[in-house]
Amino acid sequence: EIVLTQSPGTLSLSPGERATLSCRASQSVNSRYLAWYQQKPGQAPRLLIYAASSRATGIPDRFSGSGSGTDFTLTISRLEPEDFAVYYCQQYDSPPRYTFGQGTKLEIK
Amino acid sequence: QVQLQESGPGLVKPSETLSLTCAVSGGSISSGDWWSWVRQTPGKGLDWIGEIYHTGGTNYNPSLKSRVTISVDGSKNQFSLKLSSVTAADTAVYYCTRNGAWSLDHWGQGTLVTVSS
Repeated sequence: EIVLTQSPGTLSLSPGERATLSCRASQSVNSRYLAWYQQKPGQAPRLLIYAASSRATGIPDRFSGSGSGTDFTLTISRLEPEDFAVYYCQQYDSPPRYTFGQGTKLEIK
Repeated sequence: QVQLQESGPGLVKPSETLSLTCAVSGGSISSGDWWSWVRQTPGKGLDWIGEIYHTGGTNYNPSLKSRVTISVDGSKNQFSLKLSSVTAADTAVYYCTRNGAWSLDHWGQGTLVTVSS
């Protein structure tokens, strides 16, 4: 089973700053199988990025994903007030199985 | 735009079976997609339970496989989850989702299920 470890656990930044969130896998992951989600309190997770770097429908271009192998990154270029939330990475494995990282909380500094 | 809505009891007794249904609207469950159940607990985070195809094919998380059954009803455009022999550890918010490109691209709002006597 591939384990995803996200860092940092909490990231404190101000609106307008750049956020860099990390997701490290215990084994190499096919880039097609790596996704990122945003979750706000009381809401379901929302897909932001799939296939490591493709933005989901309606996601602003300030969100970008990159990486390969065991190291993946979600970058938010200029933080808006609505971006403060918890972010999860997720990978797909075979036999079919989806696993998630433990999350990074992005909070207002 | 596909929408999903979970429904079912919010309280289940220990050792009983948890049963939830996900109603799909804005699209057909027979569209060629897979459909999943995911749960979220404060302690363990997000946990994928399993998935189903409209023809009835399923895949389950090995950690839950012995207790999980996911089924589909194309005529009602819905799919369902049954989790047997529940304990307090199964207390969670349960989400139904549509599978996208090796990701989960549409989510229901979630329903809290508490296991308690």
